[in-house]
Amino acid sequence: GNSVTQMEGPVTLSEEAFLTINCTYTATGYPSLFWYVQYPGEGLQLLLKATKADDKGSNKGFEATYRKETTSFHLEKGSVQVSDSAVYFCALSRANNNDMRFGAGTRLTVKP
Amino acid sequence: ETGVTQTPRHLVMGMTNKKSLKCEQHLGHNAMYWYKQSAKKPLELMFVYSLEERVENNSVPSRFSPECPNSSHLFLHLHTLQPEDSALYLCASSQYRELNYGYTFGSGTRLTVV
Repeated sequence: GNSVTQMEGPVTLSEEAFLTINCTYTATGYPSLFWYVQYPGEGLQLLLKATKADDKGSNKGFEATYRKETTSFHLEKGSVQVSDSAVYFCALSRANNNDMRFGAGTRLTVKP
Repeated sequence: ETGVTQTPRHLVMGMTNKKSLKCEQHLGHNAMYWYKQSAKKPLELMFVYSLEERVENNSVPSRFSPECPNSSHLFLHLHTLQPEDSALYLCASSQYRELNYGYTFGSGTRLTVV
């Protein structure tokens, strides 16, 4: 079946450090891939997405590239800020299928 | 008002109470969802509605009763809950079977059962 696996947290970084949160997926066909972010006390917000192989999604300094050969969609940011502290969820959906699968979430804490 | 709005934001209820959670979307979406988010557990999909008809019910106990009167509104009726039902309940919406655009989530209702 379709699923995503993301690195377990928590992740703690100092401000301006480089961030990578790994996400790999298992899916039939050609899924769309997403990263969602959940700030404390809030719901999930779509951060970025990619709908086909080699696409790069980007938003707010975050990037992720859809790698079909490694079935991965790792989230990166070159210089994190305290305000990036949140829980990050990797997710996939298949075209023409109403089935969104979420990873378990990775909590990021950025210290000043 | 735009986006997905959930009310109330916080709810404390006794095990014998009856309460309802409300979700409203103004995005023109035709599918709505209830998720349960408990501490240290993955997101749990509870119910899916498309065009106001329930299309999925993931073995949720009958003490949770959803209602979708139209494509903009979704309710979750609660009665005789247990303390383990305490969680963040998230509503989301999307275009059914057009998930390239992802889901839009509300801010959630933090439920505490005492």
